[in-house]
Amino acid sequence: SQQGEEDPQALSIQEGENATMNCSYKTSINNLQWYRQNSGRGLVHLILIRSNEREKHSGRLRVTLDTSKKSSSLLITASRAADTASYFCATKRQAGTALIFGKGTTLSVSS
Amino acid sequence: EAQVTQNPRYLITVTGKKLTVTCSQNMNHEYMSWYRQDPGLGLRQIYYSMNVEVTDKGDVPEGYKVSRKEKRNFPLILESPSPNQTSLYFCASSLWEGGQARPSEAFFGQGTRLTVV
Repeated sequence: SQQGEEDPQALSIQEGENATMNCSYKTSINNLQWYRQNSGRGLVHLILIRSNEREKHSGRLRVTLDTSKKSSSLLITASRAADTASYFCATKRQAGTALIFGKGTTLSVSS
Repeated sequence: EAQVTQNPRYLITVTGKKLTVTCSQNMNHEYMSWYRQDPGLGLRQIYYSMNVEVTDKGDVPEGYKVSRKEKRNFPLILESPSPNQTSLYFCASSLWEGGQARPSEAFFGQGTRLTVV
């Protein structure tokens, strides 16, 4: 069963604009992670935020976590064409060990 | 270079012909897992392993087997492939944090695109 659900499913923006993707999850978590996948390739880890953190930055990425609302957001600032990819949030279910992925947001950045 | 290596990258096979997709990691990670990715369904976990000789089912284990005889290798076995197993498969590995169920960031292989006709 899906733990994380990304929103929106698809997002199209122009280069230079900011892109915001959201993730909602159902159960308590230890950490939440965001991954990027270029078409048909393996997933690449972007950033991990722990349950006791509220915000984290990495380069042009900003992740927030609201455990009371069971939601997270990923902001990509000053987007580039190379940011075109699918973005997934991943959480660990409270029971068990699996890292559960959502269905992803497909981001398209046009120049 | 830290990496997860899957082989083969592409495979076309016929229904019922046993196949194995290999996965190897060079990071000494305890935790390894297999996912399949299908359009509209995202990534779904097939099997995972917390260490050598410790494996367990994920969300969609039917029709698959795994083994973990060595820490670095985690092969995925399809004893009798069927067309509904046509998919993009990913192997992933990660550290295990302090013995608790908190997998850290996962490293993914490049994927194996399997077609069963």
